[in-house]
Order: sequence, then C-alpha cells, then structure tokens
Amino acid sequence: EVQLVESGGGLVQPGGSLRLSCAASGFTLSDHYMDWVRQAPGKGLEWVGRSRNEINSYSTEYAASVKGRFTISRDDSKKSLYLQMNSLKTEDTAVYYCARDYYDSSNYYLDLWGQGTLVTVSS
Amino acid sequence: DIQLTQSPSFLSASVGDRVTITCRASQGISSYLAWFQQKPGKAPKLLIYAASTLQSGVPSRFSGRGSGTEFTLTISSLQPEDFATYYCQQLKSYPLTFGPGTKVEIK
Repeated sequence: EVQLVESGGGLVQPGGSLRLSCAASGFTLSDHYMDWVRQAPGKGLEWVGRSRNEINSYSTEYAASVKGRFTISRDDSKKSLYLQMNSLKTEDTAVYYCARDYYDSSNYYLDLWGQGTLVTVSS
Repeated sequence: DIQLTQSPSFLSASVGDRVTITCRASQGISSYLAWFQQKPGKAPKLLIYAASTLQSGVPSRFSGRGSGTEFTLTISSLQPEDFATYYCQQLKSYPLTFGPGTKVEIK
C-alpha cells in the first residue's frame, strides 16, 4: 500500500528539540521530492520545508519561520524522511504532516499525505 | 513572498448547489496552483493541480480554472461528503504558501 506514516510527536519544553519521522511505503522515496507542512490548532496550513530527490542531491528549502532551527533529512535505505526541530518555540505547536510530491507540468505537487503527528511546545 | 487570499472565507450551501471558491495571488504564478480539501481531524487531500488538472480518483464535479493571479475551484453539485475546508496553494516560488482556507458548511 502506498502510504506515509509520521511519528515522533509529543510534548516538549520551549528551547527543546524533537525529531519527527515519516515512514514511506509502496513507492521509491529517493525518486520523490518530499515536504513537511504543519497546522497549528484551529488554524490553516503552513509549509515548513522541502527535500528534493536524489537526482537533485537532496537539496532543501525552508520557510523563514523555521530556517536555521529545523533540518530535513532522509534515509532512503530506511525509507524514511526526518524533521529535526531545535530551539522549539510555543508557536511551533502544530500537527506536522509529511507529504510526497508528484511531478507534472514542470512543477511538484503534494499528492500523498501522512496522517500527521502532534507536536506541543509548552512548559 | 507570494500571498494568497481566498473568498469567501465561509460558505453556507445546500446539497445540490453549485459552489465557487476564488483564490487570488499577490503576483503572477502562471498555473502553479493546487487545491486541497480537508475534513476535521484528517490530512489534506489533493483535488486539483496545475490549476485545472483533476487528481486521479477525485469526482468530476470538482473543477479548477485560472492562471496568473486569479483562480477558481467549482463544485458543480455539492454532495454531503463535500462539506469541508478548502485551501489553495501556490508552487511558483519559495516559500510555498497556502491560502487561509474556505469552510463550506451545510445550510
């Protein structure tokens, strides 16, 4: 079955760190761009960052709100995408989704999403 | 950054109604726009990409139009399972951005 399953969320204190994982199945992770998107409680969607595919050297892009604090990486042998979150702030509290990108018409669209994992930053 | 606005932000409609949601970009994004549907407690679902291409498995009552700065998502005959929040997303440039959402509720 083609799916993404996130894990690693939980309660963390401000200034702390957390690593989220996204396990991919049913497709070849190295072929795809992958994104992280978050949603604060009761709010809209916010793009967090992107990891390009192997052909594009797994280069990354980040939203300004997380740049320098969050790092996207992947281990294709483990079929997993990661989001390392450091220096966490209360405003990082959200459900975090990983998403697979599909290439069409010279661009990449988020066509497959995981179920999300909740990160709560609070003292 | 490219800002997206959606109108209306809230829409009350009946089963069988034709519904149109508009997404406007602060600068031209060609056709690099996607539409998502999200139900409470669930992940977003891709409906439309490249402004007008229907994602596989999505009912044909959904359609998308537009290019440049103005885009629309239309549901030709609203069904009970369509009551949800709809988001547009631009993929022209980084940071990728989403619109604020349009909540479609039952009248």
